[in-house]
Amino acid sequence: DADVTQTPRNRITKTGKRIMLECSQTKGHDRMYWYRQDPGLGLRLIYYSFDVKDINKGEISDGYSVSRQAQAKFSLSLESAIPNQTALYFCATSGTGGHTEAFFGQGTRLTVV
Amino acid sequence: AQKVTQAQTEISVVEKEDVTLDCVYETRDTTYYLFWYKQPPSGELVFLIRRNSFDEQNEISGRYSWNFQKSTSSFNFTITASQVVDSAVYFCALSGSGGGATNKLIFGTGTLLAVQP
Repeated sequence: DADVTQTPRNRITKTGKRIMLECSQTKGHDRMYWYRQDPGLGLRLIYYSFDVKDINKGEISDGYSVSRQAQAKFSLSLESAIPNQTALYFCATSGTGGHTEAFFGQGTRLTVV
Repeated sequence: AQKVTQAQTEISVVEKEDVTLDCVYETRDTTYYLFWYKQPPSGELVFLIRRNSFDEQNEISGRYSWNFQKSTSSFNFTITASQVVDSAVYFCALSGSGGGATNKLIFGTGTLLAVQP
C-alpha cells in the first residue's frame, strides 16, 4: 500500500459544487500538507498542519478549507468550486522538525466545469 | 519571508550532455533544509536529496551531483551525461526550523528538463 493515499484520483465537478479531497498516510508523521500544481507555477501551498490541533493557511488558501480528522487524515474542501481551481492537487506528509523529506500522494486531478 | 527561485523554466539538451539546474533560496533561519524532487511525466513526486544548512559538502550520487553554497544561497543540481529518462520537472524546496510558519515546506516553480535522444 502507498504511504500517502489520495482519493479521488480524478474528479470532474461543476461550478458551485462543494467537493472534498481526502488524504491519508501510514507514515505516522505529524505534518501534513496540501499543494496545488499549475503549469509554470510549481507547487503552491494551500494549507498545512503540524499536528491534529494545528492548522495553518498557506500562500493560496482562499476558496479552500481543511480538516485534520486524525493524525493520519487531512482533507481539503472546495466550498464552492470555480473553474480556476482546476489543477493537480497533492497531499504530502513529513516528520517533525522540517528536516525530513516529504512523502507525496499520487495527486488528484480536479476539473471544474 | 522564505522563497525558492528556479529561474530556468525549461531546458532542452541532447542525450549525454551535462546539465545544471539552478536553485536560489531566501530564508532568515540559520538552520534550514533544502531538497530536490523529480516529477517524471507519470506525475508522481520523487525525492532526490536533502541537505541541511550546516553541511556544505557537495554530494554525488551516480550521475547526479549537488552543489550547495551558502555564500550565494544556491543549491544547484547537475546531471552528468544526461539520458532520456532524466526528462522530468525538477523542483527545489526549502524548509526552515525557526519555529512556526518558517517550518513549512515550500517549493520553487520547477524546471522542465527535456533530454532529446
